[in-house]
Amino acid sequence: GESVGLHLPTLSVQEGDNSIINCAYSNSASDYFIWYKQESGKGPQFIIDIRSNMDKRQGQRVTVLLNKTVKHLSLQIAATQPGDSAVYFCAETQSNFGNEKLTFGTGTRLTIIP
Amino acid sequence: AAGVIQSPRHLIKEKRETATLKCYPIPRHDTVYWYQQGPGQDPQFLISFYEKMQSDKGSIPDRFSAQQFSDYHSELNMSSLELGDSALYFCASSLGDRTVGEQYFGPGTRLTVT
Repeated sequence: GESVGLHLPTLSVQEGDNSIINCAYSNSASDYFIWYKQESGKGPQFIIDIRSNMDKRQGQRVTVLLNKTVKHLSLQIAATQPGDSAVYFCAETQSNFGNEKLTFGTGTRLTIIP
Repeated sequence: AAGVIQSPRHLIKEKRETATLKCYPIPRHDTVYWYQQGPGQDPQFLISFYEKMQSDKGSIPDRFSAQQFSDYHSELNMSSLELGDSALYFCASSLGDRTVGEQYFGPGTRLTVT
């Protein structure tokens, strides 16, 4: 198969440990942020989102933190599993009726070590 | 649940040829986005449509054009193909009449220009 993100930052985590993936966004006007997971040869898959009026949001095994002051997002994955191995992208957009193009940040390749 | 459908999944063309990529959004989704992802790159926004009208344009070459049809499917037409056009092309769909919501990505079309 084809690899996505051959030259991306990488993070290796032992199975069962927690992982934290960081992302800096660029547009201070962005008010909606999304984390996507992309497996090799597949399209980005929605993980979790957060609006700018929040600084933390939790999902199943995932937590997103937003720091608007320094324009920083993080994705925490608890108790990592082999299936979590993928490239993770943050994306930002501005709420705009019918027009919410996403600007993606640099992805991070997460590898779970069994 | 129905997902975004893209066809073809793989396409091989020679330089200066043309290509047409198709995207079928999730039923009832009225907004379609096209993204291009080069090897080791983040997805880059190309163009979007809301209710069959172009809503935004990103870094799309003049050699490319796109449209959204009455059944909401979209086609990306690429002419005078260049080697640098080799990439994964993703389509995403969403409901445009809501406060910003998720974009659901298709599996992508891998275009190889030789």
